[in-house]
Amino acid sequence: DTGVSQDPRHKITKRGQNVTFRCDPISEHNRLYWYRQTLGQGPEFLTYFQNEAQLEKSRLLSDRFSAERPKGSFSTLEIQRTEQGDSAMYLCASSLGWTGMNEQYFGPGTRLTVT
Amino acid sequence: AQKITQTQPGMFVQEKEAVTLDCTYDTSDQSYGLFWYKQPSSGEMIFLIYQGSYDEQNATEGRYSLNFQKARKSANLVISASQLGDSAMYFCAMRSIIQGAQKLVFGQGTRLTINP
Repeated sequence: DTGVSQDPRHKITKRGQNVTFRCDPISEHNRLYWYRQTLGQGPEFLTYFQNEAQLEKSRLLSDRFSAERPKGSFSTLEIQRTEQGDSAMYLCASSLGWTGMNEQYFGPGTRLTVT
Repeated sequence: AQKITQTQPGMFVQEKEAVTLDCTYDTSDQSYGLFWYKQPSSGEMIFLIYQGSYDEQNATEGRYSLNFQKARKSANLVISASQLGDSAMYFCAMRSIIQGAQKLVFGQGTRLTINP
């Protein structure tokens, strides 16, 4: 039973560069979430997919951010023209279920540092 | 809007003692779920326990129990017989249980340190 995986685990980039992160959810999970966590804070919701459909986006997801889940399996999160304020841990989670607990399982995260 | 408040930035406890981590929440929803997650230094969020707003009994999972007081809008996590491996950040979170509402709203967390 493999959990949620994310790649890369760490990314250092220069301001203005584009970066792309990948998330592979637990295989039978139809829902996939992206969160951002800055130092000393709890995770903040960015966006969520049900299968391949992106159903909700946070106001935190500016025009420079785009997320896809083309075949309802893995997902990518791209940040264009990175800024220093984008430095954070990007967490992916997946879940299965419609109501009730619908527990979200998290991956190890991708730590982004923008220099 | 939903909000989670964790007022304890840090807690220090002796090994084998019980510890209570505080969580209060604010929501206008009638149906919601409350979660506790543990985040070790490795960074991965580990699900600990869940309480539904209509659950009449407090949730328990091994050494973890959730002290749910709906009228006071509090959902405190109790860890019994603490262990060194319990040292981590702990986050309280909530989710509305209505169709289409899936995001978790997290508090700022409490850093728990277990001393030998």
